[in-house]
Amino acid sequence: DTGVSQNPRHKITKRGQNVTFRCDPISEHNRLYWYRQTLGQGPEFLTYFQNEAQLEKSRLLSDRFSAERPKGSFSTLEIQRTEQGDSAMYLCASSPRWPGEIQRGTTGDTQYFGPGTRLTVL
Amino acid sequence: DAKTTQPPSMDCAEGRAANLPCNHSTISGNEYVYWYRQIHSQGPQYIIHGLKNNETNEMASLIITEDRKSSTLILPHATLRDTAVYYCIVRVGNSGYALNFGKGTSLLVTP
Repeated sequence: DTGVSQNPRHKITKRGQNVTFRCDPISEHNRLYWYRQTLGQGPEFLTYFQNEAQLEKSRLLSDRFSAERPKGSFSTLEIQRTEQGDSAMYLCASSPRWPGEIQRGTTGDTQYFGPGTRLTVL
Repeated sequence: DAKTTQPPSMDCAEGRAANLPCNHSTISGNEYVYWYRQIHSQGPQYIIHGLKNNETNEMASLIITEDRKSSTLILPHATLRDTAVYYCIVRVGNSGYALNFGKGTSLLVTP
């Protein structure tokens, strides 16, 4: 189990540029989540995939944001025309298939987080 | 999901038990209490969850009051590495829904 990985870990960009982040979930986890975290706040939900289907989107996900999970494995989050307010940590999480794989001590719904991508928009 | 209330910060001496409280007075019957923590510059980490009964694992214990309106996360022998923000989250289990983190409790473990 290699855990959830995210790339890049850090991204600095100029206002108006497009950026794309990648998340590789734990193998065989069919649920994948994106969150955003600004300084001093807890993570805030952005969007959720079950396999390749995007099932839920937060109001925080403006038209400039798009997320994909084309084959139900890795996911990408793209931000177009970045603004300084987009500066944040972008976190990805995955959780196991339900029903089915239930790890001891979890509901099968436990979310496992990656290390995040820190975005700075200048 | 029910709202939770946690103190913004707490201190604990290394080696002592850290008791982190959480109020969730509007919790409903099918909602679990989850605890996650976030060490500085890392992603959140699952700690423990429970529905009605007290729970214990290798990381912590979770004590839920009989009326389920509050709970306490106990780190029995806090170490410096337990310094983190601890989030108490109430939600329906197995729902696939997002976690509503709130601001959590910033725990500082001191030598």
